[in-house]
Amino acid sequence: GAGVSQSPRYKVAKRGQDVALRCDPISGHVSLFWYQQALGQGPEFLTYFQNEAQLDKSGLPSDRFFAERPEGSVSTLKIQRTQQEDSAVYLCASSLAGGPDTGELFFGEGSRLTVL
Amino acid sequence: AQRVTQPEKLLSVFKGAPVELKCNYSYSGSPELFWYVQYSRQRLQLLLRHISRESIKGFTADLNKGETSFHLKKPFAQEEDSAMYYCALSNFGNEKLTFGTGTRLTIIP
Repeated sequence: GAGVSQSPRYKVAKRGQDVALRCDPISGHVSLFWYQQALGQGPEFLTYFQNEAQLDKSGLPSDRFFAERPEGSVSTLKIQRTQQEDSAVYLCASSLAGGPDTGELFFGEGSRLTVL
Repeated sequence: AQRVTQPEKLLSVFKGAPVELKCNYSYSGSPELFWYVQYSRQRLQLLLRHISRESIKGFTADLNKGETSFHLKKPFAQEEDSAMYYCALSNFGNEKLTFGTGTRLTIIP
C-alpha cells in the first residue's frame, strides 16, 4: 500500500492484559513516530525512531509502554498490564527524513484501544 | 514548556462566509507552526505549514509573533471544508509535534 498501515484497527482489552500495536511505515521512510490521542484531545507525542534507533521516548507515559523498530521498518508499540487510562487512539506517522520541520509527516489511520 | 491553544472546540460557518480558526501558542524559542486536518473517515494530514507560506485549498495562516498566534483563514467557506482542524508546533531540530485540542469546523449549506 502507499500509506502508513496500522493494525489492529480496533482492540478491546481487559484491564491487566498486554497489547501490541503494529505500524508499517511508508517504504523508505527513515523516521517513525508514535502519538496517543485520547477522546476529545489532540495527538500527544510518545516516541520517535530514526531507522532502528529510538532517539526520543520522553512521551511514553510509564514503563508499561515500550516501542521497538528492530530492523528500521515495522514498529511495534507494546503496552503491558493495560489500564483504563490507556484507552485512546494510537497514531503512527512516518517521514522520509527527520522531524516535522524537515519533512512532512504521513499518518496512519490509528489503532483504537479500549480497555475495559 | 510549549503549548498550543485552540479556544473553539466547535465552529459553524455558512457556505460562502469567511472562516477563521484560532490558534495561540506559547514557546520561548523560534517555533515552526502547522495546521493539520482530518476529514471524515480519513487520516490526519498536513494542510499547511508556516515556513512554506503557501495557500492550500484557499486556506492561509500568518504567524504573528507579537500575539503568538497562527490563525487559519479562508475568505469563502466551502462545504468540503467541514473537518477537524489541529494546530501544531515544533521547534527547529526537534522531532516532536505539540498539538492543540482541535476545532471541528462545520460548513452550513
